[in-house]
This record gives sequence, C-alpha cells and structure tokens, in this order.
Amino acid sequence: GIQVEQSPPDLILQEGANSTLRCNFSDSVNNLQWFHQNPWGQLINLFYIPSGTKQNGRLSATTVATERYSLLYISSSQTTDSGVYFCAVGEANNLFFGTGTRLTVIP
Amino acid sequence: GAVVSQHPSWVICKSGTSVKIECRSLDFQATTMFWYRQFPKQSLMLMATSNEGSKATYEQGVEKDKFLINHASLTLSTLTVTSAHPEDSSFYICSASRGTATEAFFGQGTRLTVV
Repeated sequence: GIQVEQSPPDLILQEGANSTLRCNFSDSVNNLQWFHQNPWGQLINLFYIPSGTKQNGRLSATTVATERYSLLYISSSQTTDSGVYFCAVGEANNLFFGTGTRLTVIP
Repeated sequence: GAVVSQHPSWVICKSGTSVKIECRSLDFQATTMFWYRQFPKQSLMLMATSNEGSKATYEQGVEKDKFLINHASLTLSTLTVTSAHPEDSSFYICSASRGTATEAFFGQGTRLTVV
C-alpha cells in the first residue's frame, strides 16, 4: 500500500499559538483527508482535500499533489484542539493512514 | 456530510466466542464499505473492503476465516470476529463513502475486549 508519513509525531503548544502539521505520501492519490480523533476514538472529518487549498474557521489545509504532500494549519490553537490528527490517502475509497500527530494544547 | 453508524460501541467477550459488529450507512447507499483496526496509540490499519453482494477483499496478513465480513445490503456491512482471543482486542472502525474517491465517513468505532 501507499506509505504515509506525518510530522511531527508529537506537538505541544501554548494556547493561542499556531501550528503546521505535515503529511507526505509515496504515490499519487485521488483521495486525501485530514481527521481529528477524539478521546473516544471517533474520527472527525476535517478536510477532504486531494488537491488545492481549503479553509474552515481556524483550520486550513493545502495539498500539493504533484509533490506528494499536504499541510494542515491550525491557528490560534485552543485546548479543545488537543488530540490526534491523522492524514489518510488512497486511490479510491480505501484509505491508508499516516502515523498521526499527537497535539497537546496547554492553557 | 453523511452518517455512518456502528454498533455496538464496546463489547467484552470471553475467549473462544464470536462477536458481530454492524456498520450502517444511514442516509446513503454504499456498494463498498471498509473495515479498519486500531491498536492503542497506533494508527488505523485497513483490514478489508466489504463489497455488497460479493466476497470481501482482505489486506495482506488479515485472516479471512478469523474476520468474516458480510455485506448483504447497500446500507449494512457486518464484521464477525470468530473464536476471539485476547490478541484480537482492539478498536474496530468502519467507513463508507457516497461515491468513488469521495469523502469517507466513519462510524463511531467498536472497542472489543476479549477476556
């Protein structure tokens, strides 16, 4: 399957700070999504973004498909942003997940 | 968005018994659904593709006789963990999409503990 790497693996932020999470993948893809996994395991859809740039409130994402990477930006972080962020990619609907970034936002 | 519902949310079973997990797409039809497994503090691993009306496709290393998948309708896929053992304890989660290479939506997940 497609190899997906995320960085950094762990990130600790002061509330109000900004951050950038990165996702690199090994092959061309037609499907790329970012998720936030809450403490109960639920995957919250953040972005469906196989290419281009999208924004939703304090979050935005950019995927450069030709260079096989995607970035997730979190601005003005809040304690509720804490959790694990996953990037997942695929050619169709079967997704290969990255290793995740564990974000901790401290007040 | 779209709603995918998974049941049960958690289950504890005795070693040697079988457990069935249901995954339903509530507001759309899905010819394919996907099953993933996640061990603590690890990523999600694709186990198998559930195909409506035909056999499931399993990823390399996943025992098809251990993890039985049935996709009898366009809105329901089931995963049965047969003869469960403690090493099968994990978080199992399903997904479905409205179309090909479109946004995937996940169920709430099922936490299985085998004692």
